[in-house]
Amino acid sequence: GAGVSQSPSNKVTEKGKDVELRCDPISGHTALYWYRQSLGQGLEFLIYFQGNSAPDKSGLPSDRFSAERTGGSVSTLTIQRTQQEDSAVYLCASSRGLARQNIQYFGAGTRLSVL
Amino acid sequence: QKEVEQDPGPLSVPEGAIVSLNCTYSNSAFQYFMWYRQYSRKGPELLMYTYSSGNKEDGRFTAQVDKSSKYISLFIRDSQPSDSATYLCAMSGNTNAGKSTFGDGTTLTVKP
Repeated sequence: GAGVSQSPSNKVTEKGKDVELRCDPISGHTALYWYRQSLGQGLEFLIYFQGNSAPDKSGLPSDRFSAERTGGSVSTLTIQRTQQEDSAVYLCASSRGLARQNIQYFGAGTRLSVL
Repeated sequence: QKEVEQDPGPLSVPEGAIVSLNCTYSNSAFQYFMWYRQYSRKGPELLMYTYSSGNKEDGRFTAQVDKSSKYISLFIRDSQPSDSATYLCAMSGNTNAGKSTFGDGTTLTVKP
């Protein structure tokens, strides 16, 4: 596709439920990133992938959060047993690689609301 | 203390004004400096990218980096209502290139 695509665009869930957020990167981009943006805040780094491997998982807030990437393309961020503090916009970005300039192209995000 | 601190705003200016947006940082390993613009309910989009110290100009936008002071700025000349958005600074180093550290953003409103 022309840009980074994320789905769903909005997700409302009940506390304690699991959710899956999907990211389709720009075709040919080998690096993929997940961020979380709370209301009025900057971007909180969660995890990045180079190909299918995740060299840095340090940003995942807890063990309820996990992410995977298959085929070097689509990535899924899973949040288990959601809590109200998980409510935020989850942004995905991709880049050609881990070149030092690290120019990332972002999707529009998934707005998660945990009731 | 956060690695990247950004002037919080919000900032409201009249059309045609010069706008200055600023970030400071503490990590001397940062080499790459970016400015992103984010419209409401959209993802950030890259506006300017600078390597190391110096200035870079692109139309009405100028990015400045002063590594000795660990201070970066984005100037917008002849601001337009369409410039109304949140501006995020971001930085990364030569190592762990997959991770950029972002400021919290400054929300700008340009009034006609």
